[in-house]
Amino acid sequence: AQTVTQSQPEMSVQEAETVTLSCTYDTSESNYYLFWYKQPPSRQMILVIRQEAYKQQNATENRFSVNFQKAAKSFSLKISDSQLGDTAMYFCAFTASSNTGKLIFGQGTTLQVKP
Amino acid sequence: GAGVSQTPSNKVTEKGKYVELRCDPISGHTALYWYRQSLGQGPEFLIYFQGTGAADDSGLPNDRFFAVRPEGSVSTLKIQRTERGDSAVYLCASSLDSYTYEQYFGPGTRLTVT
Repeated sequence: AQTVTQSQPEMSVQEAETVTLSCTYDTSESNYYLFWYKQPPSRQMILVIRQEAYKQQNATENRFSVNFQKAAKSFSLKISDSQLGDTAMYFCAFTASSNTGKLIFGQGTTLQVKP
Repeated sequence: GAGVSQTPSNKVTEKGKYVELRCDPISGHTALYWYRQSLGQGPEFLIYFQGTGAADDSGLPNDRFFAVRPEGSVSTLKIQRTERGDSAVYLCASSLDSYTYEQYFGPGTRLTVT
């Protein structure tokens, strides 16, 4: 079975500081994709960053970067220079090439950025 | 361009009633997904359409749930004999195709069964 685990239900960070959200996953697939989604109170799920498992280089998108440790099945998200607008629920998600694109989500981490 | 839209935004219904939830995907997107998100949880997959056909309905919880996409665009999720446990946010997502792996989500429909 494919599972995604986020062990931090809630986190907080001061504005302008850096925070790291953790995610681990379990799969026997060799070809897969990992994502971080942001869900603000508006409910709109927004893609933050994606990582292809076959790529060794960690993905980056502006202030967002990942630490992808394939052997450890770990996929953490680092947010640098945190902004008030980063306050949201963050979900780690997984899909295997054989999954027809359906996403498997973790339980989520609520991040609060404090002024 | 327009994103994924879902109607209604909120739906309150009585136990035992029938409801329909609508999803209008991004134009040109052939893949469409439905997810259900319970309070404080991550979304759970329900069903996936490629074009007009349901390619994977393994996430539908029981036969009270059904979804259609007759013309390969708009999709409707139908729930019969609603139960209080069906209360959740129902999210729809679309992608260019099933190999793009980048899904665009709608704002969801919050269903409350009283």
